[in-house]
Amino acid sequence: GAVVSQHPSRVICKSGTSVKIECRSLDFQATTMFWYRQFPKKSLMLMATSNEGSKATYEQGVEKDKFLINHASLTLSTLTVTSAHPEDSSFYICSARESGTSGRYTQYFGPGTRLTVL
Amino acid sequence: QQQVKQSPQSLIVQKGGISIINCAYENTAFDYFPWYQQFPGKGPALLIAIRPDVSEKKEGRFTISFNKSAKQFSLHIMDSQPGDSATYFCAASIRGGTSYGKLTFGQGTILTVHP
Repeated sequence: GAVVSQHPSRVICKSGTSVKIECRSLDFQATTMFWYRQFPKKSLMLMATSNEGSKATYEQGVEKDKFLINHASLTLSTLTVTSAHPEDSSFYICSARESGTSGRYTQYFGPGTRLTVL
Repeated sequence: QQQVKQSPQSLIVQKGGISIINCAYENTAFDYFPWYQQFPGKGPALLIAIRPDVSEKKEGRFTISFNKSAKQFSLHIMDSQPGDSATYFCAASIRGGTSYGKLTFGQGTILTVHP
């Protein structure tokens, strides 16, 4: 089955630093990847849609300068949380949609990254 | 109009029982309805999905029932097992347009199956 990995799985950083999270589709190509944020015992909130070779599309209320997204290849998207603050602490999850399959838009999710900003 | 409303928030079922989780939507442009299972500290995993051209889909112990006229769909877990204890999310997405493929999630249901 389609596998999506994320790295790192957990990261603790100091306030003011930047953190990069990688999302990879391991056995398929993904033209589109999505980044979500999830608070404890809450649902997933879509942050942005990442398209290979073009700028990401951010959801309303998500600061694009704060959450930098790069989708440089068909198997890799990165989310960089810039100048992180404690309120950015959360569980970040990516998903990837397999490209090249007409009519299919199943999203496969990564295992998530737990970010803690001290 | 983009919301998907999920109920109940939490559900306790005895082993061997049937777990039923319901979702309702407003946007008639939704045309893909997946269910995801999430364990603590993990990403969601796709369980089963349905398109609006069918009223029911079954995969093993998991069944989706879909009522297009009522704009409702539900997940039935037959013979529920303690290992099914997790959070379940329904979702919906639109095939085309600017919202292509974007999932709108329900609020989630925490299922606990007692042995």
